[in-house]
Amino acid sequence: QVQLVQSGAEVKKPGASVKVSCKASGYTFTGYYIHWVRQAPGQGLEWMGWINPNSGGTDYVQKFQGRVTMTRDTSISKAYMELSSLRSDDTAVYYCARGIAARSASPFGYWGQGTLVTVSS
Amino acid sequence: DIQMTQSPSTLSASVGDRVTITCRASQSISSWLAWYQQKPGKAPNLLIYKASSLESGVPSRFSGSGSGTEFTLTISSLQPDDFATYYCQQYNSYWTFGQGTKVEIK
Repeated sequence: QVQLVQSGAEVKKPGASVKVSCKASGYTFTGYYIHWVRQAPGQGLEWMGWINPNSGGTDYVQKFQGRVTMTRDTSISKAYMELSSLRSDDTAVYYCARGIAARSASPFGYWGQGTLVTVSS
Repeated sequence: DIQMTQSPSTLSASVGDRVTITCRASQSISSWLAWYQQKPGKAPNLLIYKASSLESGVPSRFSGSGSGTEFTLTISSLQPDDFATYYCQQYNSYWTFGQGTKVEIK
């Protein structure tokens, strides 16, 4: 069965960077885009961008351009999301997600368990 | 960018009630709309895709309708497990979520 397992919670200081991992199993890793979505405490869901694990190609929401980097390691079926220059309003749960279909335009049928990133001095 | 607006933000209902949540897109998204349920501390769960297709394993009391810019999620008879927050998402052009609708116990 499809599973996405994320790395554990992180506490970072303002200005630092964080790198969250997402280990995929149960399917061909290179066949489906991996998306990253975040949710600030008590707030809604915010899509951040995607990575194509096959090509390594990425697309990011303009809001995060210059601060976010999505990468992957196909040898171990892992995707990564690194966010730099952290601010207090980056405190959120970060999710990786996979579409239900192999094409790029697909809703997210599989989600990681979420990684809480807390930014605090 | 396509904006998604849900209404209401909060809905108070009783077990057995018929519940309807509306989602409006800022421009036409055809039928490229999904609905998710999220419970506290958990990842969202896909309920409906392509506006009206029920995801495998989702109870048939959930249904979706609409196209273009207006969409609805209906729960035909609210069950105790359905008290949660619901989000719509467009995937016609990138991906955007609505702000969420919390369904709470009346």
